[in-house]
Amino acid sequence: GQNIDQPTEMTATEGAIVQINCTYQTSGFNGLFWYQQHAGEAPTFLSYNVLDGLEEKGRFSSFLSRSKGYSYLLLKELQMKDSASYLCAVRDSNYQLIWGAGTKLIIKP
Amino acid sequence: IAGITQAPTSQILAAGRRMTLRCTQDMRHNAMYWYRQDLGLGLRLIHYSNTAGTTGKGEVPDGYSVSRANTDDFPLTLASAVPSQTSVYFCASSPGTANEQFFGPGTRLTVL
Repeated sequence: GQNIDQPTEMTATEGAIVQINCTYQTSGFNGLFWYQQHAGEAPTFLSYNVLDGLEEKGRFSSFLSRSKGYSYLLLKELQMKDSASYLCAVRDSNYQLIWGAGTKLIIKP
Repeated sequence: IAGITQAPTSQILAAGRRMTLRCTQDMRHNAMYWYRQDLGLGLRLIHYSNTAGTTGKGEVPDGYSVSRANTDDFPLTLASAVPSQTSVYFCASSPGTANEQFFGPGTRLTVL
């Protein structure tokens, strides 16, 4: 079967750095996405990785290792507005997205 | 309008009733998707359409139907609603199947 695993919840302090991990087992791999979802709102696109390595975009970076079936999202200089759920999704061999249940990130002052 | 819209925002529905959730995008995206999101579970694909005139079944299609008569609209119909269809429904679109998806604001549906 297809499976995406992420921690259910994480807590971090404002101004700090946090790493959210995602491991996957899917039928085929055509890229990995990270989305942010604030409570009661729609998911919004953060990053995309298809090759191994680190993609940096401002305070957010995403890493991929295809051989390990592993990715992480790194958030630096945390702000209160970063309190949200972070969703990991893998595009499979049918070009459909398989989604993890999301990681709820709580930022404390 | 700009982007992707859904209607209604929320709805309470009696079991057994028929309901259509509307989704419209003005970005001229080829691909559109319907997901449901339940607490503790990831987004699950119900149906999708890679281009106008074509549709396909996702992971959880039973009890739902879709149509794609034109590029902009992708309605989702529940023929006879059941309580297990209580969920938040998101419509999404993308320029093609190889691109990131853009999501509508969602419809919160409660079936009693």
